[in-house]
Amino acid sequence: GESVGLHLPTLSVQEGDNSIINCAYSNSASDYFIWYKQESGKGPQFIIDIRSNMDKRQGQRVTVLLNKTVKHLSLQIAATQPGDSAVYFCAEPDRPDSSASKIIFGSGTRLSIRP
Amino acid sequence: GAVVSQHPSWVICKSGTSVKIECRSLDFQATTMFWYRQFPKQSLMLMATSNEGSKATYEQGVEKDKFLINHASLTLSTLTVTSAHPEDSSFYICSARDGDLWVFFGSGTQLSVL
Repeated sequence: GESVGLHLPTLSVQEGDNSIINCAYSNSASDYFIWYKQESGKGPQFIIDIRSNMDKRQGQRVTVLLNKTVKHLSLQIAATQPGDSAVYFCAEPDRPDSSASKIIFGSGTRLSIRP
Repeated sequence: GAVVSQHPSWVICKSGTSVKIECRSLDFQATTMFWYRQFPKQSLMLMATSNEGSKATYEQGVEKDKFLINHASLTLSTLTVTSAHPEDSSFYICSARDGDLWVFFGSGTQLSVL
């Protein structure tokens, strides 16, 4: 079954502050995770990914942290902007490194920005 | 990055009619395409996986006779919602995988059944 999920449903952040979106997973064998951003009425957009041989990966204004001990990952967005308002999903393939794998989505966190 | 085009972006139809949604990979050949359904304020739920030239594999609880999937070429998959009813109203999203395992998503189709 689906192992990625357990988000808080909504997160409200002051513009300019950092946002932290959390995700827990249940399968200790999971070794690859993806964060997607979905704006209203659009499909998911890839943000950043991380493999289990890493505990941190940085992109432009985003950082993903992976704690395999507690099966938890987080997406940190620096200096949150109005354009960051969206639903954020963590996701993982059901069979890593397999051409037959499917992307399974967690429940998502809606990020809203206060001016 | 690679582009997946989904058409139409929205459609309104009468109850009992059928609706076809197209998903095209524009600049790559998609070995596999996926169809998701998303209800308001919910996550994406995988409906089916299709490989070019073979029958789609449906997730548990998804009616294959209701949601017909055709993957006739490496760049096109279609989802037909047959005899649509109001409860089929949803946001349908396709995605496509290239040969390197990367998955790209379409922009979605909002279906409203009256």
